[in-house]
Amino acid sequence: ETGVTQTPRHLVMGMTNKKSLKCEQHLGHNAMYWYKQSAKKPLELMFVYSLEERVENNSVPSRFSPECPNSSHLFLHLHTLQPEDSALYLCASSQDPQGNNEQYFGPGTRLTVT
Amino acid sequence: ILNVEQSPQSLHVQEGDSTNFTCSFPSSNFYALHWYRWETAKSPEALFVMTLNGDEKKKGRISATLNTKEGYSYLYIKGSQPEDSATYLCAYDAGGYQKVTFGTGTKLQVIP
Repeated sequence: ETGVTQTPRHLVMGMTNKKSLKCEQHLGHNAMYWYKQSAKKPLELMFVYSLEERVENNSVPSRFSPECPNSSHLFLHLHTLQPEDSALYLCASSQDPQGNNEQYFGPGTRLTVT
Repeated sequence: ILNVEQSPQSLHVQEGDSTNFTCSFPSSNFYALHWYRWETAKSPEALFVMTLNGDEKKKGRISATLNTKEGYSYLYIKGSQPEDSATYLCAYDAGGYQKVTFGTGTKLQVIP
């Protein structure tokens, strides 16, 4: 596999469920990101990890819990979500979390909360 | 809240036509401006990263210019092809830990 992969590609979950989204990058990058895209809204940055340390948390509700066990893997743990959390969740990576590095995106997970 | 505006929201052009669209961003605390292309059912793909006022970047038939003093960037596509159909996103980077703010994108449809 090359680039940035995400699993699952589609997920339907109830409000009481717990699930996790997985992202893996095969580019040797040092930074990884979670974004959310809701319908007709811009991409919203949720979390930034640099060398497995969380460096940015954009006021995201605690029902979203990120985990970065190593520089190649990033998870987003989901629990007691709301229907308004239904969105496309994109993972990205870049060589460096600072500076003007371009980001490489995964294909996203389409999440529906029922 | 940073305001990054893209216009138009969508446009349809005939194959062979040239087109351009705009990204407006805050002119203060500028660090970089990113352009991405996002085809349906695919991942966003980086086109350009622009940092200097007056920067011009080119990749094939696509080029971009940057004016940081007035806070805008133009993306140009020369001789549009159906494979150019995608949503084009710009993202304003104020520096720090990739604190990028995305616009809502311009959706381009090239009609064969």
